[in-house]
Amino acid sequence: AQSVTQLDSHVSVSEGTPVLLRCNYSSSYSPSLFWYVQHPNKGLQLLLKYTSAATLVKGINGFEAEFKKSETSFHLTKPSAHMSDAAEYFCVVRTAYGGATNKLIFGTGTLLAVQP
Amino acid sequence: GAVVSQHPSWVICKSGTSVKIECRSLDFQATTMFWYRQFPKQSLMLMATSNEGSKATYEQGVEKDKFLINHASLTLSTLTVTSAHPEDSSFYICSARRTGGTEAFFGQGTRLTVV
Repeated sequence: AQSVTQLDSHVSVSEGTPVLLRCNYSSSYSPSLFWYVQHPNKGLQLLLKYTSAATLVKGINGFEAEFKKSETSFHLTKPSAHMSDAAEYFCVVRTAYGGATNKLIFGTGTLLAVQP
Repeated sequence: GAVVSQHPSWVICKSGTSVKIECRSLDFQATTMFWYRQFPKQSLMLMATSNEGSKATYEQGVEKDKFLINHASLTLSTLTVTSAHPEDSSFYICSARRTGGTEAFFGQGTRLTVV
């Protein structure tokens, strides 16, 4: 069975400093992995996705993530945090049942706070 | 990009009444839609997978008679919370997958409060 573990429930950074949100995955198959962002009382927005192409994936708003099979990790990074990045971030794996039965399995989320 | 709209954005209802939440894919057809529930400061939990023209598939522990799902067209799925109780208060989010596609697009969520 697939699963993801987000190692930090809260991360606080200063504006302009780097962001690192950690995610480890467990999968019997080559996984499809995603990072989503959720601002308060809003739906989810896809930041980026890995689907077995390039291991370094670039997303929106300057975020990127690197798929490391040897470490079973898919950490999210950004060189310089902005106040607008404050939100909840979810690491997500898609099940590999195939076709229409694919499901998304969400991590527990990391709340990113950005200090001025 | 693909847009998914949920309605209403928030609703308050009395205990014992039923509430219907709509999920629409505005600019694409979605054979499959998903309904999630999110408790405060927690992750999203998949409740059910809704397939157009067939019965929804519910996750373990989700009461299908409590949470009625209808996916009558390729652009609309509805979730009805029947005989709502305060413990049903939560944030409900839907997502829709384009027919033949793999990416899921999320609605903005519906905040349900049962008093």
